[in-house]
Amino acid sequence: DIQMTQSPSSLSASVGDRVTITCQASRDININLNWYQQKPGKAPKLLMYDVSNLAIGVPSRFSGSGSATHFTLTISSLQPEDFATYYCQQHDNLAPVTFGPGTIVDLK
Amino acid sequence: VQLVESGGGVVQPGGSLRLSCAASGFIFSKHGMHWVRQLPGKGLEWVASVSFDGSKTDYADSVKGRFTISRDSSKNTLSLQMNSLGAEDTGIYYCAKDLAVAVVSAILDFWGPGTLVAVSS
Repeated sequence: DIQMTQSPSSLSASVGDRVTITCQASRDININLNWYQQKPGKAPKLLMYDVSNLAIGVPSRFSGSGSATHFTLTISSLQPEDFATYYCQQHDNLAPVTFGPGTIVDLK
Repeated sequence: VQLVESGGGVVQPGGSLRLSCAASGFIFSKHGMHWVRQLPGKGLEWVASVSFDGSKTDYADSVKGRFTISRDSSKNTLSLQMNSLGAEDTGIYYCAKDLAVAVVSAILDFWGPGTLVAVSS
């Protein structure tokens, strides 16, 4: 199985801050990496797929980069609605699909 | 797109439960589908997937041999039959639609609100 790790596990930030979350895969997954946002009590929502493709309706302040084993999600200017938990997920190996443990972004 | 899960509830250890997911707003028969669960206060765990035509299924090792994913494209419904349930299966179960057409990509572009499964005596 491909193991996914994320750092930091949580961070505190202010509105307007630039925020970067890192995701690492245990082996080369090319660009088969997705990001999801989950707010408390809600289902996850697809943010970005294949590293850098924004899902429908996702604002352009979100961006992604990376390849192989190292990936980043950046929020260029944090907005109040962005406080949430973010998960990366690999889809290079489909059995099993694996998620990172999540990064909580909360208000400083 | 709308996905609505049902069938969750409280079940005793060793018991069974069948989850359903009613899909609408897209051509159900063209997309793979997935179940993903979230244990209490924890992260996301992919559970199972089924191809657009039902011919291929995959499972997480933790549920293999106990859970069965299936679909009925005539009713736009996804199902998850769960047997031999244990406390470790307690959590919220989400159904999710695959972005790709005719292949399983595991890009999960729409999710249902989830249904809670609690295994307890």
